[in-house]
Amino acid sequence: KAGVTQTPRYLIKTRGQQVTLSCSPISGHRSVSWYQQTPGQGLQFLFEYFSETQRNKGNFPGRFSGRQFSNSRSEMNVSTLELGDSALYLCASSPLGLHGANVLTFGAGSRLTVL
Amino acid sequence: DAKTTQPTSMDCAEGRAANLPCNHSTISGNEYVYWYRQIHSQGPQYIIHGLKNNETNEMASLIITEDRKSSTLILPHATLRDTAVYYCIGSNTGKLIFGQGTTLQVKP
Repeated sequence: KAGVTQTPRYLIKTRGQQVTLSCSPISGHRSVSWYQQTPGQGLQFLFEYFSETQRNKGNFPGRFSGRQFSNSRSEMNVSTLELGDSALYLCASSPLGLHGANVLTFGAGSRLTVL
Repeated sequence: DAKTTQPTSMDCAEGRAANLPCNHSTISGNEYVYWYRQIHSQGPQYIIHGLKNNETNEMASLIITEDRKSSTLILPHATLRDTAVYYCIGSNTGKLIFGQGTTLQVKP
């Protein structure tokens, strides 16, 4: 079956702009979570969506937002981009996402460069 | 989510078993222990998970101590392609808190 698909794979933006990243989960998976990876901070949890509702949230400013559609596809948006937002943004999907064993399948990521 | 402690780096000879330790002394009774790995610039890849019992799959074995305060991931016959950063995570929710992980270098 198809894996987790993230688009775009690479993008370059300038400070102050906004960006929208897309994630298509594995068919049947209802949970989608987002992570930011930078050399300095490592992998950090952004938020998780389950059945169109945000269920968990990490410690990121309000400039980072997301949503999930009825088909479980998810988007994340970063507004007023800063240089420090340059990172690899990873999306992961799982069947359940709440309690019990929760195996995540990650996408290849979207690499954002802010100039 | 449990706080985990892993060595920063380890080396292993190709063909030998790689044993990666993890301390998770604060893990709660219903938190699973997960292992993921990340090869440079790719998304993390799930390896194995367990709750109380030892587990084995086609990739690795997971040994969890009886008190659940630590675990060991075993790659039985390491290959050069197993060179990666390995993350041990304790969680029972939809989010995973990644630490710095262990960089495993498999050498020929």
